[in-house]
Amino acid sequence: AQTVTQSQPEMSVQEAETVTLSCTYDTSESDYYLFWYKQPPSRQMILVIRQEAYKQQNATENRFSVNFQKAAKSFSLKISDSQLGDAAMYFCAYRSVGGATNKLIFGTGTLLAVQP
Amino acid sequence: EAGVTQFPSHSVIEKGQTVTLRCDPISGHDNLYWYRRVMGKEIKFLLHFVKESKQDESGMPNNRFLAERTGGTYSTLKVQPAELEDSGVYFCASSRGSGYRGTRYNEQFFGPGTRLTVL
Repeated sequence: AQTVTQSQPEMSVQEAETVTLSCTYDTSESDYYLFWYKQPPSRQMILVIRQEAYKQQNATENRFSVNFQKAAKSFSLKISDSQLGDAAMYFCAYRSVGGATNKLIFGTGTLLAVQP
Repeated sequence: EAGVTQFPSHSVIEKGQTVTLRCDPISGHDNLYWYRRVMGKEIKFLLHFVKESKQDESGMPNNRFLAERTGGTYSTLKVQPAELEDSGVYFCASSRGSGYRGTRYNEQFFGPGTRLTVL
């Protein structure tokens, strides 16, 4: 069975600085998707960025980028030029490719605080 | 386009009582998922509907939980009787597809969650 581990329960970053959130996963599959979701306080969870395992290039979305190390089964999220609105709980998630199920497997989350 | 909605936002019940949670997916989304996050732990998958059929219910914890999606539109998740360990946040998500490829097509959109407290 696949597992996702986020070893940083809480992180803090100064506004305008850069922060990296860690995520590792375990799987025997060769093809899969990885995601970072953001849940702001009292608001719904939204997708921040996705990575397809068969693509070697790291995904980027504006200030958000990932460092995908397939051999090491590592998928970290880098947030550049942090803003107050980035404060949220961040969840790393895994999804298999193939089959009919689309279920996501999540980590325990990292609570990010942004200091002004 | 309206997002995924969930009702109620909060529910506080006594152990042994029954609670029903409701989820309205995004219009046109055939796939509906239920997840749960117990305090401080990971978000765990409960089950997946394709239209009104249960595609995968491998995450349902026990037979006190009953999920339905009559007519393939909204879904309900009933907990009867509720136990203390059922406390947590219940998330619903929906997606247009769930097939092999097409990540964008299969993106799951989440509701705000229902916070359930069992006393």
